Amino acid sequence: EDQVTQSPEALRLQEGESSSLNCSYTVSGLRGLFWYRQDPGKGPEFLFTLYSAGEEKEKERLKATLTKKESFLHITAPKPEDSATYLCAVRYTGGFKTIFGAGTRLFVKA
Amino acid sequence: GAVVSQHPSWVICKSGTSVKIECRSLDFQATTMFWYRQFPKQSLMLMATSNEGSKATYEQGVEKDKFLINHASLTLSTLTVTSAHPEDSSFYICSPTTSGNTDTQYFGPGTRLTVL
Repeated sequence: EDQVTQSPEALRLQEGESSSLNCSYTVSGLRGLFWYRQDPGKGPEFLFTLYSAGEEKEKERLKATLTKKESFLHITAPKPEDSATYLCAVRYTGGFKTIFGAGTRLFVKA
Repeated sequence: GAVVSQHPSWVICKSGTSVKIECRSLDFQATTMFWYRQFPKQSLMLMATSNEGSKATYEQGVEKDKFLINHASLTLSTLTVTSAHPEDSSFYICSPTTSGNTDTQYFGPGTRLTVL
């Protein structure tokens, strides 16, 4: 069964305290893995797409990496404005359907 | 990124009434529209997929007669929740996409539905 699992469920950091969020997946034929940021009461905001193992992408304090079984979202020196829910999603070959993980709620305290 | 709007952003209705949610893609033509539902502290669950001018395809467990989807144009899709009940209270999010860009998926700002 295709699944996307994110951990931890919630993460509390002090400002400047770097950490990583995990997304593990079991899909038959990965087409792409996506990271989104979602603020309360809003739709997801696109961050990254990764296609193959070894690929990395960066945007400001965020860096996403991909292996054959999981992806990490590294947050370097986070700020309070980075507080949000981060969603991982996977699309497999042969279709449009995207499977979302449950998300990691990140809280960054000043 | 793509510009997507939803209207209304929030709605409160009485049990038994119907509610229509509009989703517009403002700067591109949406050949395909995804509708998602998100319960508090849970992830997005795909409800249905529609292609412009065609009937929607519903996910297992989603009642097609309760959640009516119309995708009559390349810039507008509507989701109508018929005879709404409190358990339909949720955050509904649309995601339009084009046949030319199938990987980056953009989302609307969402509609918060509360059924009393």
